[in-house]
Amino acid sequence: QLQLQESGPGLVKPSETLSLTCTVSGGSISSSRSYWGWIRQPPGKGLEWIGSVFYSGTTYYNPSLRSRVTISVDTSKNQFSLNVSSVIAADTAVYFCARRTYRSLSDYYYYYMDVWGNGTTVTVSS
Amino acid sequence: DIQLTQSPSSLSASVGDRVTITCRASQNIRNYLNWYQQKPGKAPKLLIFAASSLQGGVPSRFSGSGSGTDFTLTISSLQPEDFATYYCQQSYSTLLYTFGQGTKLDIK
Repeated sequence: QLQLQESGPGLVKPSETLSLTCTVSGGSISSSRSYWGWIRQPPGKGLEWIGSVFYSGTTYYNPSLRSRVTISVDTSKNQFSLNVSSVIAADTAVYFCARRTYRSLSDYYYYYMDVWGNGTTVTVSS
Repeated sequence: DIQLTQSPSSLSASVGDRVTITCRASQNIRNYLNWYQQKPGKAPKLLIFAASSLQGGVPSRFSGSGSGTDFTLTISSLQPEDFATYYCQQSYSTLLYTFGQGTKLDIK
């Protein structure tokens, strides 16, 4: 059974870089059916998609975060990572990693996030 | 960007009630709409994809409908474990996935 687990520091100082890793177990990160993504949730608020990466390294980013975000993949370790630079208090959130996969219905492809990590809390504070 | 607006933002209901949550998209997204359930301190759980397809293992009391800009999630008979926050999410724009603001369902 596929499982994802986030790891990384829980506290980051303003202006520094937030770095998180998601370890994939029970399956290969090199699946052609999967993109691997990051989603965050500020305290008491809703969900925000940050971006996704394919095992080849192809990435998609939320335009509102693109200038500060890098998502990368390490197939040898079955991991993918998130870096957010120049963090501010508004980057305080629970960060989730998730698998995006798809189902073909009537020759159309429908994408969804079906496996999620438990989430890790990151606080930006001096 | 495609905006998703859910209504209501919060809802109180009783066990056994039939509940409907609405999600409206700012443009036509055909049926590229997913629904998730999130309980406090937990990750979201996929319930419905492609507007009306039930994810494996999800109880049949959950159903989704809609196409274009208007979508609904219905719970036919609320169970105690259904009290949670529900989010819609569009997958029409693969360059920018967006979520609705959430609907919190609690016990009356």
